[in-house]
Amino acid sequence: GAVVSQHPSRVICKSGTSVKIECRSLDFQATTMFWYRQFPKQSLMLMATSNEGSKATYEQGVEKDKFLINHASLTLSTLTVTSAHPEDSSFYICSARSFDPGGEKLFFGSGTQLSVL
Amino acid sequence: LAKTTQPISMDSYEGQEVNITCSHNNIATNDYITWYQQFPSQGPRFIIQGYKTKVTNEVASLFIPADRKSSTLSLPRVSLSDTAVYYCLVAPNTGGFKTIFGAGTRLFVKA
Repeated sequence: GAVVSQHPSRVICKSGTSVKIECRSLDFQATTMFWYRQFPKQSLMLMATSNEGSKATYEQGVEKDKFLINHASLTLSTLTVTSAHPEDSSFYICSARSFDPGGEKLFFGSGTQLSVL
Repeated sequence: LAKTTQPISMDSYEGQEVNITCSHNNIATNDYITWYQQFPSQGPRFIIQGYKTKVTNEVASLFIPADRKSSTLSLPRVSLSDTAVYYCLVAPNTGGFKTIFGAGTRLFVKA
């Protein structure tokens, strides 16, 4: 199946710093990517939909100035957590949408565990 | 998008067949049903997808009745490594929509 690479897998930072997370589709072009965050023992919560060449669409309650999303190419989307605070600590996951005759499939990155001290 | 309902958790023993049912009463004509598996601290992984009747791959089977208002993921002879959360998603095979995850089913396989 298609591969989505997400980096870094884990990051620890001080409060107030910014953290960038990269999501790459390695063997297919993804016009649409999604960013999720997940708290322990909870489901994935959609943060935003990232479309190549246009502005991301954020879910209600997600601060777009806090979570900057850039989707500059068909294989790369980035999420920057600006001025991170301890409450931003979470597991962040990206996915890329792929269509084939069988229907839409999502391929996920391995996730990024962000810990803000 | 069709709302999905799954059991919150299930327990099983190694070697047993596990069936997880997902309800999606307002599924649309062009919606496909897709199941994903997620291990702790990892991104979800695609398991199987179907539109109607039965689909089988090397990992699982997916049973979809004629009215498509539900679907059942069948895992044959589970092992400890199948302990994970399983998500059922229903979505059209066209773009322009967002994918929302439900609560999923937490499967715990015991020795």
